[in-house]
Amino acid sequence: QQPVQSPQAVILREGEDAVINCSSSKALYSVHWYRQKHGEAPVFLMILLKGGEQKGHDKISASFNEKKQQSSLYLTASQLSYSGTYFCGTEIAGSARQLTFGSGTQLTVLP
Amino acid sequence: DTAVSQTPKYLVTQMGNDKSIKCEQNLGHDTMYWYKQDSKKFLKIMFSYNNKELIINETVPNRFSPKSPDKAHLNLHINSLELGDSAVYFCASSQERRPRVFGAGTRLSVL
Repeated sequence: QQPVQSPQAVILREGEDAVINCSSSKALYSVHWYRQKHGEAPVFLMILLKGGEQKGHDKISASFNEKKQQSSLYLTASQLSYSGTYFCGTEIAGSARQLTFGSGTQLTVLP
Repeated sequence: DTAVSQTPKYLVTQMGNDKSIKCEQNLGHDTMYWYKQDSKKFLKIMFSYNNKELIINETVPNRFSPKSPDKAHLNLHINSLELGDSAVYFCASSQERRPRVFGAGTRLSVL
């Protein structure tokens, strides 16, 4: 079942923060986050496993609330290079390696 | 060395034709996937192979047939192409449930 992402689109100025949310109606094994720039392939950002953890690198971090089956991606002090479409992908507990993607959040960072 | 390579990058063809897309990965991963991304950017899993064995077969028309001659290759053959097949097709690979590494995509246009 497809996870629900919000917002659908967000426009920021350089240096501003953004949060992208991803929720599922099923018990999750993991949540993946990917970024896709226009005309390119999706690129892996991070994975969060069951156990409710928070991860991050540079100024992009994510959290996973296992009880609520929700994950959030945090982009702080955004840079122009952060522009793109962000997808969360969820693996349902007990599924056979099936990663189902949300509909994506289009992030635009303006100078 | 490209980790996941797809050929061709662009495919323009007439309705009713048969075409194939090839994918190869040199990462030593045990699982390979085909995803379809439509004009609304929705990334949908089509097939998944683990060690040459089909493990995910989503609701895809029978006209689409994957074939995995070995662990490093996963090809997609499409018979009797229809207008609605126009999309970007991404091949991806992973080791167990780890992050997917995507190929650059094949942009298929059916006229």
